[in-house]
Parts: sequence; structure tokens; C-alpha cells
Amino acid sequence: EAQVTQNPRYLITVTGKKLTVTCSQNMNHEYMSWYRQDPGLGLRQIYYSMNVEVTDKGDVPEGYKVSRKEKRNFPLILESPSPNQTSLYFCASSSLGGTLSHTEAFFGQGTRLTVV
Amino acid sequence: RKEVEQDPGPFNVPEGATVAFNCTYSNSASQSFFWYRQDCRKEPKLLMSVYSSGNEDGRFTAQLNRASQYISLLIRDSKLSDSATYLCVVGVTGGSYIPTFGRGTSLIVHP
Repeated sequence: EAQVTQNPRYLITVTGKKLTVTCSQNMNHEYMSWYRQDPGLGLRQIYYSMNVEVTDKGDVPEGYKVSRKEKRNFPLILESPSPNQTSLYFCASSSLGGTLSHTEAFFGQGTRLTVV
Repeated sequence: RKEVEQDPGPFNVPEGATVAFNCTYSNSASQSFFWYRQDCRKEPKLLMSVYSSGNEDGRFTAQLNRASQYISLLIRDSKLSDSATYLCVVGVTGGSYIPTFGRGTSLIVHP
């Protein structure tokens, strides 16, 4: 079954304690990205990756890191979480067509993060 | 000005009604357009792609107006199960690709 898997689904942590949210896809997609969703602000892109070892900042990258060492995995790292990073996070992946055309994005089920 | 704008709603309609949402975009180089559906606290899922010639899928019709830079979604014969948030996604392809999501339009279908 084609899917994007995020872990954990729920996380409560304290300010400053490093954490990693994992994301894995089994569709051999080149493109992966992370979003956060906050009430009234919609989905905002944090980081994205066009392929292995190729990552770039989205709209709201401050306070986050990513890596793409393998095609299937795209972890999101919060080195020193702060309360303003409390949010619902989604990982997504999609294939890049021959002309870099965007195809359907598949989303993980989301990670609800609370930083106290 | 935000790159992709949607009326947040909510649109409150009775069952059986026809409802339409618009989504405007500012980047004239945009080439890919989609509508996603998101249920409360769940992940967005693709509802339909939007093609230049317009496309229909059952009760749903999507259209693109490049001259005025907007896409639309029409839902006919609304069902209670259509209640959700509808997100439009606009993307520019070639080079660095960043799909931009609208903030979503909330639809509530009531009996």
C-alpha cells in the first residue's frame, strides 16, 4: 500500500529538548516536504527536498533542520524546540514528472506537537 | 499579498445545494493546480487536479481561468459528507518547485 508514515503521531515535550519527527515513504518519490498547520494560517512549508542530499528552505524554516540521506526518509529535526513550534506537522511526498511537473502529493497522518 | 488566496468561509449550505469556491493566485507562471480536501485534524487528500480545459468528477467540477488567475471548485447536490476544508494548491514547475497551499475554505453541509 502506498503510504507516507510519520512518527510519532502525538508528542508533548519541553522547551529546549531536541526532538526528531520521522517521515518515510514507500513510493520512491523524489520530492518530499514538511508543513506546519496552524489555525487561521493554513499549511506553511518548512523545508523541502527534490532528491537525496538536496534540501531547501520553504516559507518558515527557522528553528528546524532536515536531512535527506536516503530517498525514502526525510526527518524533521527541532534542535531546541520552543512553544511557538507547537503545531500540527505534515510530511508529504510526490513524484516529479519528466518536466518537473508536480503530481499528487501524499501526506502522512500528521504529528501533533506540543512544546511546553 | 498572499500568493494563493481563498475565502476561509465557512460556507454553510443545506443538503442538495450547489456551492462554489474560488481560489486566486498571484504568480502568472503557475502551471499546476489542485484541489485537496482536509477533514478535521486529518491529512489533506487529493480531490482533483485542475486542467486547463476544466474537468469534472461526479458532482465536482474544477475550472481554471488563467486570464484572471483563479481556479474554482463547484460541488453540486451537496452531501453531509462533503463537510470539510477545501485547499487549493498552486505550483510553479521547473527549477525549485514550491507548491503553495491556500489557507482553505471551510464547507459545512447541514440537513
